[in-house]
Amino acid sequence: AQKVTQAQTEISVVEKEDVTLDCVYETRDTTYYLFWYKQPPSGELVFLIRRNSFDEQNEISGRYSWNFQKSTSSFNFTITASQVVDSAVYFCALRGGNRDDKIIFGKGTRLHILP
Amino acid sequence: EPEVTQTPSHQVTQMGQEVILRCVPISNHLYFYWYRQILGQKVEFLVSFYNNEISEKSEIFDDQFSVERPDGSNFTLKIRSTKLEDSAMYFCASSEDRRPYNSPLHFGNGTRLTVT
Repeated sequence: AQKVTQAQTEISVVEKEDVTLDCVYETRDTTYYLFWYKQPPSGELVFLIRRNSFDEQNEISGRYSWNFQKSTSSFNFTITASQVVDSAVYFCALRGGNRDDKIIFGKGTRLHILP
Repeated sequence: EPEVTQTPSHQVTQMGQEVILRCVPISNHLYFYWYRQILGQKVEFLVSFYNNEISEKSEIFDDQFSVERPDGSNFTLKIRSTKLEDSAMYFCASSEDRRPYNSPLHFGNGTRLTVT
């Protein structure tokens, strides 16, 4: 069975602080794919990043960075110097590698950036 | 940038009525999906569709639900007899290829369905 756990239901930080959103996953597949999506207050789902299980290189994109640790089955997301516009619900998601084409989502972390 | 388009953005219907939610996936994409999100909850998989047939469906996707690709561009979700618990945001998504399975899903803006 596959599962994505986002233990942090809600986080509030003051603008310009760094914040890390945790994601832990479970899968029996040796090949799998991980994603992060952002859901701003307007409600749409915005794709942020994907990571293959065979590529453990961390990634940085502007103020966003992702830390993939296969040994702990974690794929954490850090926002540096947070801004009010970062306020949203963030979903971590997993897709298996065995011709299983659906993505399953964690429950999401609601992030509040306070001015 | 091409995007997935969903109509209507909000639909209100009475319990027992049939509703059809419409989606236009990105034109060169091959895989299509419906997900739903009950207010404040997680995004749940309903069904995936490839090569004009359902490739996978969840337990939520019972006989009241059906999907169709009536022409080369539209992808629809029909709920035959709506229940109060069908009230949710319904997201359509598409991806260009599931090989090597890491193609992201691109989501539409959603249709908020309210059943009264």
